[in-house]
Amino acid sequence: AQTVTQSQPEMSVQEAETVTLSCTYDTSESNYYLFWYKQPPSRQMILVIRQEAYKQQNATENRFSVNFQKAAKSFSLKISDSQLGDTAMYFCASTNAGNMLTFGGGTRLMVKP
Amino acid sequence: EAGVAQSPRYKIIEKRQSVAFWCNPISGHATLYWYQQILGQGPKLLIQFQNNGVVDDSQLPKDRFSAERLKGVDSTLKIQPAKLEDSAVYLCASSPWGASGSWVGELFFGEGSRLTVL
Repeated sequence: AQTVTQSQPEMSVQEAETVTLSCTYDTSESNYYLFWYKQPPSRQMILVIRQEAYKQQNATENRFSVNFQKAAKSFSLKISDSQLGDTAMYFCASTNAGNMLTFGGGTRLMVKP
Repeated sequence: EAGVAQSPRYKIIEKRQSVAFWCNPISGHATLYWYQQILGQGPKLLIQFQNNGVVDDSQLPKDRFSAERLKGVDSTLKIQPAKLEDSAVYLCASSPWGASGSWVGELFFGEGSRLTVL
């Protein structure tokens, strides 16, 4: 069974600063996807960034980037120039061969003005 | 493009009653997922459909939960009888496949249906 672990239940960052959210996963799949999803308060979950395991280059999307360490099964999310709108729950997830996503427990991020 | 639609948004019932949730995925999305998200936790997959067939329902409590996806489009998730521990947000998500037959690698979520069991 796949497991995804987010060791930081809560984090805070000052507006305009950089923050890194941690995630480790365990899978027996040879090819898989890794994701970071954002869930704002009382709003729907949206995709932040996606990484295909066979790609060595770390994915980036504007202010969001990942540090993908395949051997260590680590997949951290870096948010640069944090904005108030980044306040949300962030979930790390991985897929299995059947495209089933397994989610971690989440990290609550608070961006302070 | 319309998103994933879910209803009702909120439902309060007493234990042992029944409830049903409805999901309309994004048009053309072959894969549909139901997740259960208990407050303060990450979503847990209950069932995954590919068109109108079940791909995985290993974590669905089949003694009380049932789900169907008629004609490979809309889906309903039913709980009967409900228990206190079923209080959660039930998330529906859908996912497309590319023209080449490969998964495009993204789930699109609805706003969820919040269930409170008293």
